[in-house]
Amino acid sequence: DAMVIQNPRYQVTQFGKPVTLSCSQTLNHNVMYWYQQKSSQAPKLLFHYYDKDFNNEADTPDNFQSRRPNTSFCFLDIRSPGLGDAAMYLCATSALVVAGFQETQYFGPGTRLLVL
Amino acid sequence: RKEVEQDPGPFNVPEGATVAFNCTYSNSASQSFFWYRQDCRKEPKLLMSVYSSGNEDGRFTAQLNRASQYISLLIRDSKLSDSATYLCVVTFYNQGGKLIFGQGTELSVKP
Repeated sequence: DAMVIQNPRYQVTQFGKPVTLSCSQTLNHNVMYWYQQKSSQAPKLLFHYYDKDFNNEADTPDNFQSRRPNTSFCFLDIRSPGLGDAAMYLCATSALVVAGFQETQYFGPGTRLLVL
Repeated sequence: RKEVEQDPGPFNVPEGATVAFNCTYSNSASQSFFWYRQDCRKEPKLLMSVYSSGNEDGRFTAQLNRASQYISLLIRDSKLSDSATYLCVVTFYNQGGKLIFGQGTELSVKP
């Protein structure tokens, strides 16, 4: 059974047209992450939520926003997608992080974004 | 210099070969170590955690050398299904425990 679900799996948008990617989890994990992964590159962390606390990475562009309305759902909003934002967007979850200890992260299947 | 570095490969090996991947990290505040596997156009999946004493899971053996800041993954008797990208992942105390990924090493196992 899928534990981290991402919708849609493929998203095509136009340059500058806002797009929202969604992630849901059935694991009841406290922490949810959004990563961007471009071809032949490692996943790059954009931000994460520890419960409702939002943690933005210093180099994440303002164009990327996130919402977590409840434990199960998290959204990635790209306000004005550019051609350079075409990538795979991965959602991941993990259980409570204690004293910086990283519990195993479970990744969703990803949403592949194409910007025309 | 990247915090976690891997040889990007690709490694092209015949079935049954033994192949080793290396990974180095540059932050001494290292905490946890993992190898993830990522198939083409799929999400990363945890292959194994890496423990200080080294650990083995079937055909896969992981080693850690904290003094040299070096991690390795050995795959014995490689199968066609082992073809994937292998990501070295480290967490650091001074970065809130977030996963820091290497760029991945691509493995292609041929018949």
